[in-house]
Amino acid sequence: EDKVVQSPLSLVVHEGDTVTLNCSYEVTNFRSLLWYKQEKKAPTFLFMLTSSGIEKKSGRLSSILDKKELFSILNITATQTGDSAVYLCAVASMDSNYQLIWGAGTKLIIKP
Amino acid sequence: NAGVMQNPRHLVRRRGQEARLRCSPMKGHSHVYWYRQLPEEGLKFMVYLQKENIIDESGMPKERFSAEFPKEGPSILRIQQVVRGDSAAYFCASSPQTGSYGYTFGSGTRLTVV
Repeated sequence: EDKVVQSPLSLVVHEGDTVTLNCSYEVTNFRSLLWYKQEKKAPTFLFMLTSSGIEKKSGRLSSILDKKELFSILNITATQTGDSAVYLCAVASMDSNYQLIWGAGTKLIIKP
Repeated sequence: NAGVMQNPRHLVRRRGQEARLRCSPMKGHSHVYWYRQLPEEGLKFMVYLQKENIIDESGMPKERFSAEFPKEGPSILRIQQVVRGDSAAYFCASSPQTGSYGYTFGSGTRLTVV
């Protein structure tokens, strides 16, 4: 069965720290991996990764995919309290052009 | 562009009642997806609809749950005879075409069954 596992489940750090969130997957016919940020409302799209080794970057957030080892990491540098959220990882398979397989998320809390 | 609109934001139902959750997709989006999120769990796909058609309902329980997306009006997720286990956040997402994985999500409806 396809699955996506995120770690850690929760993480508490201080403002200014750098964090690394992990997402590993076992998905038949992998197509792409997506990261979302979920605050109290709707998940908002961050990145979509399709190719290994190519870093995607947006401000203090960056992400990279390793298709050989079947994982991705999401890095956040110089964290701010506004980064507090649940970060969700999802994987798309070639078997479906709309369904995503979701991880349970990492709850990140940034303390001032 | 108002985004994906879901209502109500919070819904409390007694066991045995019916719950109706509404989702208006983004303007120009004709594909709607419903997901359920239980506490400490990831989003679980329920159903995928286009206007007047259910494309894939493989994630939806066979009994008590139904979904529609009429020609006019919002998509509706209906849960009949709710039970405590139905308590969850229900998210709707839309996309302009299938294969657009960067869905736009609504803010969700948090259903509590008492």
